[in-house]
Amino acid sequence: EPEVTQTPSHQVTQMGQEVILRCVPISNHLYFYWYRQILGQKVEFLVSFYNNEISEKSEIFDDQFSVERPDGSNFTLKIRSTKLEDSAMYFCASSEERANTGELFFGEGSRLTVL
Amino acid sequence: KNEVEQSPQNLTAQEGEFITINCSYSVGISALHWLQQHPGGGIVSLFMLSSGKKKHGRLIATINIQEKHSSLHITASHPRDSAVYICAVRWAGNQFYFGTGTSLTVIP
Repeated sequence: EPEVTQTPSHQVTQMGQEVILRCVPISNHLYFYWYRQILGQKVEFLVSFYNNEISEKSEIFDDQFSVERPDGSNFTLKIRSTKLEDSAMYFCASSEERANTGELFFGEGSRLTVL
Repeated sequence: KNEVEQSPQNLTAQEGEFITINCSYSVGISALHWLQQHPGGGIVSLFMLSSGKKKHGRLIATINIQEKHSSLHITASHPRDSAVYICAVRWAGNQFYFGTGTSLTVIP
């Protein structure tokens, strides 16, 4: 069964360092998302991406964050200068379509720990 | 403010029991997702609903658009059903808003 894959599964970094989280969405999907979940809290939307551009982003997704689909298969989330509060599980998701039938398929998550 | 509320927050059941988890939302939605989060953190989609009822194995999801409410039922619960169950809704736009989840523990 097709699945969304994410790497790395866990990354530890020093505050101020740049981090890139990688995702390979399901191949025929068109919509891509990043979500995050701070430990003990609910999942929060960061950004959605369609047709090689950001379609929506939340207040969390400030100038420190960027997304890219560099080669038609990978979908990356970059955090330019990490802060302690960026420590969270980051989930990539994809969906085939935007309409009401656009079921989300999630990756296993990348746990980011900022020291 | 658009809100998603789940109840109960925590639920402990004996194996074999019928379980109901509820989700209420404040304004009309275009879609509702029921998700399962495993202890390791991974998230799996269970159902996507915009109306009516869906069934998959021992899981049943219903939605009442007029009452702005959805329920997830688990029949003949099993310890492997132990997980956090999350309701997520989509209003206008393309993003889902998540509830805080219901932590289910099924005891053998």
